[in-house]
Amino acid sequence: GAVVSQHPSRVICKSGTSVKIECRSLDFQATTMFWYRQFPKQSLMLMATSNEGSKATYEQGVEKDKFLINHASLTLSTLTVTSAHPEDSSFYICSARTGTSAYNEQFFGPGTRLTVL
Amino acid sequence: AQSVTQLGSHVSVSEGALVLLRCNYSSSVPPYLFWYVQYPNQGLQLLLKYTTGATLVKGINGFEAEFKKSETSFHLTKPSAHMSDAAEYFCAVSSYNQGGKLIFGQGTELSVKP
Repeated sequence: GAVVSQHPSRVICKSGTSVKIECRSLDFQATTMFWYRQFPKQSLMLMATSNEGSKATYEQGVEKDKFLINHASLTLSTLTVTSAHPEDSSFYICSARTGTSAYNEQFFGPGTRLTVL
Repeated sequence: AQSVTQLGSHVSVSEGALVLLRCNYSSSVPPYLFWYVQYPNQGLQLLLKYTTGATLVKGINGFEAEFKKSETSFHLTKPSAHMSDAAEYFCAVSSYNQGGKLIFGQGTELSVKP
């Protein structure tokens, strides 16, 4: 089946530093990748939609200058949290989708837990 | 705008008992509906989905769900719970005009007692 990986699985950083999270589709080409944020015991909130070769589309309320998304290839998207602060601590999950239809399945990565001290 | 409401943030059943997780949605266009399962510190795995056609959808691990347009519901059921079913379950909605964006419900934590 389709596999999506994320790296790193956990990261701890100091306040003010930047952190990059990678999302890779291992055995398929993903035309679209999505980035979600999940707080403890809460649902997933979509942050942005990323299409290969074009700028990401951010959801309302998500700071595009703080959460930089790059989708340079059909198998890799990156999320960079710039100048991280403790309130950015969260579980970040990416998903990847083949095709362009809304009913095409999204395959989710295992998530990255970010802790900002 | 679309939305999803999952009734009950926590459901507890005994092993072998019926599992029923409730999901109601709101959508101004025909919805695509999904159920995902999440184990601790992991990503989401698709259990089943409804797009068009048969309203009773069968998924993995013995789960099934029925799309009821008149009730705007998509409840998830399993006849007999296993200990391994203990996890967080999310209902989600999308549609053809949402670019594939999934709107998730709040999640329901399922506990299975021996």
